[in-house]
Amino acid sequence: DAMVIQNPRYQVTQFGKPVTLSCSQTLNHNVMYWYQQKSSQAPKLLFHYYDKDFNNEADTPDNFQSRRPNTSFCFLDIRSPGLGDAAMYLCATSSSPRPQHFGDGTRLSIL
Amino acid sequence: GQQLNQSPQSMFIQEGEDVSMNCTSSSIFNTWLWYKQDPGEGPVLLIALYKAGELTSNGRLTAQFGITRKDSFLKISASIPSDVGIYFCAGLGAQKLVFGQGTRLTINP
Repeated sequence: DAMVIQNPRYQVTQFGKPVTLSCSQTLNHNVMYWYQQKSSQAPKLLFHYYDKDFNNEADTPDNFQSRRPNTSFCFLDIRSPGLGDAAMYLCATSSSPRPQHFGDGTRLSIL
Repeated sequence: GQQLNQSPQSMFIQEGEDVSMNCTSSSIFNTWLWYKQDPGEGPVLLIALYKAGELTSNGRLTAQFGITRKDSFLKISASIPSDVGIYFCAGLGAQKLVFGQGTRLTINP
């Protein structure tokens, strides 16, 4: 059974049109992460929540924001997607300091 | 930013062969992880290493954590077609993962 669930699996949006990706977990982990992964590269951390505390990576563009309304859910908002934001977006969770478990990702395409 | 050095970047082997890949770091990590990623899916945790010098097996997979906590290797024995994919090493520090560049494994039947 899937424990880190990302919806949708594929998302197409228009250049500049806001888009939201969602992640839910059944593991009750206290930490949730969002990564961006481009072809043939390792995942790149955008930000993470340690419980309710938001931690942004220094090089994450302002265009990317996140919300965690409760333990189980976390959202990635891209305010004005550009062509360079086309990528796979991965959500992961952990019960710190244990290893992270990843969802299957959302592949975002920009028209 | 900080990154692990993973080698080789790609491997082409025959089905049934053993294969090894390595990761090194200039920094010490308390936990070292190996993930496998299939096309269009998220990384799946294969093995976690917690103690320096630890040798751990998971089926046909064997991984070791270096004594200095700055390196690790992963070995796959008797490869099968479903072993195809990208393998990432990752060091876990301060709630964050530092990834290697990945090793893409291709298997010829």
